[in-house]
Amino acid sequence: DVKVTQSSRYLVKRTGEKVFLECVQDMDHENMFWYRQDPGLGLRLIYFSYDVKMKEKGDIPEGYSVSREKKERFSLILESASTNQTSMYLCASFLQGHNSPLHFGNGTRLTVT
Amino acid sequence: GESVGLHLPTLSVQEGDNSIINCAYSNSASDYFIWYKQESGKGPQFIIDIRSNMDKRQGQRVTVLLNKTVKHLSLQIAATQPGDSAVYFCAENINTGFQKLVFGTGTRLLVSP
Repeated sequence: DVKVTQSSRYLVKRTGEKVFLECVQDMDHENMFWYRQDPGLGLRLIYFSYDVKMKEKGDIPEGYSVSREKKERFSLILESASTNQTSMYLCASFLQGHNSPLHFGNGTRLTVT
Repeated sequence: GESVGLHLPTLSVQEGDNSIINCAYSNSASDYFIWYKQESGKGPQFIIDIRSNMDKRQGQRVTVLLNKTVKHLSLQIAATQPGDSAVYFCAENINTGFQKLVFGTGTRLLVSP
């Protein structure tokens, strides 16, 4: 089974802090994604990466950046956390190719106070 | 536990009933569809997928039906169990050349013993 691991289940940070959310997958997947999930809005794509050191903006990249230094690890960075970034953050990956399902981690619930 | 969506449509069924969860998708060019299950406090879990060249696919206790004419997708769960209680949402691949999934906001399934 594919395993996508997010390092923290719950985080509480203060406004203005720099925040790192880490994600690791163990199935040698090329493609990795960061989503945020908010009530009534569903999953929204923040950034994705289709290869090491490659990154692409998703639908809501503002206020975020990412890092993909190794194939198995994809980090989401909040340069200066704000209260409107309080959310559930989900990492996902899939194998190269078309029409294969995303595999998700269990999420990181971030609260910015 | 975490609330995935505060105002989701809800389907309430009795244990042993068959459940049908519906999803309207947006893009007639979408060629791949997935159903996910999300339990409280967990990430979305892949259930079943279907490609646009099919109109029905069956898994263990689950069946997905695709009606491309009206852009409608449904998930049927046979003999629903309390463990099936979760939020279910569909995703479509809008086929931009790179797989990009667009997610619905979900339906909450409540199964009473």
